[in-house]
Formats: sequence, C-alpha cells, structure tokens
Amino acid sequence: KQEVTQIPAALSVPEGENLVLNCSFTDSAIYNLQWFRQDPGKGLTSLLLIQSSQREQTSGRLNASLDKSSGRSTLYIAASQPGDSATYLCAVRNSGGSNYKLTFGKGTLLTVNP
Amino acid sequence: GAGVSQSPSNKVTEKGKDVELRCDPISGHTALYWYRQRLGQGLEFLIYFQGNSAPDKSGLPSDRFSAERTGESVSTLTIQRTQQEDSAVYLCASSPVGGRGELFFGEGSRLTVL
Repeated sequence: KQEVTQIPAALSVPEGENLVLNCSFTDSAIYNLQWFRQDPGKGLTSLLLIQSSQREQTSGRLNASLDKSSGRSTLYIAASQPGDSATYLCAVRNSGGSNYKLTFGKGTLLTVNP
Repeated sequence: GAGVSQSPSNKVTEKGKDVELRCDPISGHTALYWYRQRLGQGLEFLIYFQGNSAPDKSGLPSDRFSAERTGESVSTLTIQRTQQEDSAVYLCASSPVGGRGELFFGEGSRLTVL
C-alpha cells in the first residue's frame, strides 16, 4: 500500500527566504506526482505535475524535483512571499492496477512572515 | 464553467438527516473523483467514475454513503442518516482521460453534523 509522508508538518519563514518542502513515498512504482496548494477553507490548486519519466518541473518561482528510485520529491520555493502562505500537499498516482487513484500526504503548512 | 463547481459550499445538518452534495466537473473531463478531508487528516479517496465504466466505490466508508453520476456530467454524493464523524470537507475533482493525469479540484463542500 502506497504511503506518502510530508516533512515538515509546519514551517515558518521570513519573507524572501528560499525554502524546500519534502515529500516521500514508499512504493516507487508511480505514474506521476502532483503538488497542490490549499488555502484555508478552499479546495486544492494544482501547482506542478511531474511524470515518472521526468526529473523536475518548473513554474515561476516553484521547482519540483522527483527521484523515483529513492521515493522522494521536493518542492523548492524561491524568494518566498506572504502570499505563498498555505498548506502544500503532494499526491502520488501509482502505475498499474488502480492507477487512477491518488494517495495524498497530510501536507506542510507554510507561513511566510512579512 | 471554467472549473469544477461544487454545491453547497457549506452545509450544517442534524445527526440522522440525509444530505446530498453536488459536483459539476470541467466540461469534457471524463474522470471524476470524490475525496473526503477531515480536520487535520489527509485526503481520503471515496469513489471514482470514468465514463460509462462501473465506478470504483472501494473508498466509501459505509453503506450510508452512495454516489451517482449522470453520463460524463454532474455527480451527486449522498450521505444517509448522517453521523457526527461524517463532518468533513468533501472534495470533488475531475481529470481528462488520455491526458497527463492531472486532477483539478473544486472548492469543496464543508459538512457539519451537529
């Protein structure tokens, strides 16, 4: 059974700092990995999707990397801003079988202080 | 609409009442998911619809939960005889088949059972 862990559970940083959020998964047979952002009381917004054949994806100040063999992904946020404050979730889609299901981590609550 | 639409956004009900939650997926998306997010917990898979195929109901927590989908359009999630432990945010997502497998989520329906 796939398990996804996100560390740290919470992170507080001053504005302007670069930061890294971590996601690990137990079964390396994945189809893709998706990073989401969730604001309080809101739904999930997709940030980046990495296919299993890819090593990284970039969007603006965000960069996500994937090391499938070691079961790890990182989300790098450059020059953080107060507006980046949210919960960041990673989700893994397994390959084969019920490959339509995503397994989610519990998220990292990020606070960027002005 | 441009995104996944869910209604109601908030529902407060008394224990034992039935509730119905609605999801309108992005037009053209054949795959539709329901997830549940309890306070402080990760997202739990509930059910998956894909076109006219039999849905995967393996995540429904009890027989009080049911879901339907009309063709490749609207879906309703029904909870009968609600219990306090059903209190959660119910999130709907859709995805285009044959694409990169990216999921797009709605804003969720927050259910509170008193």
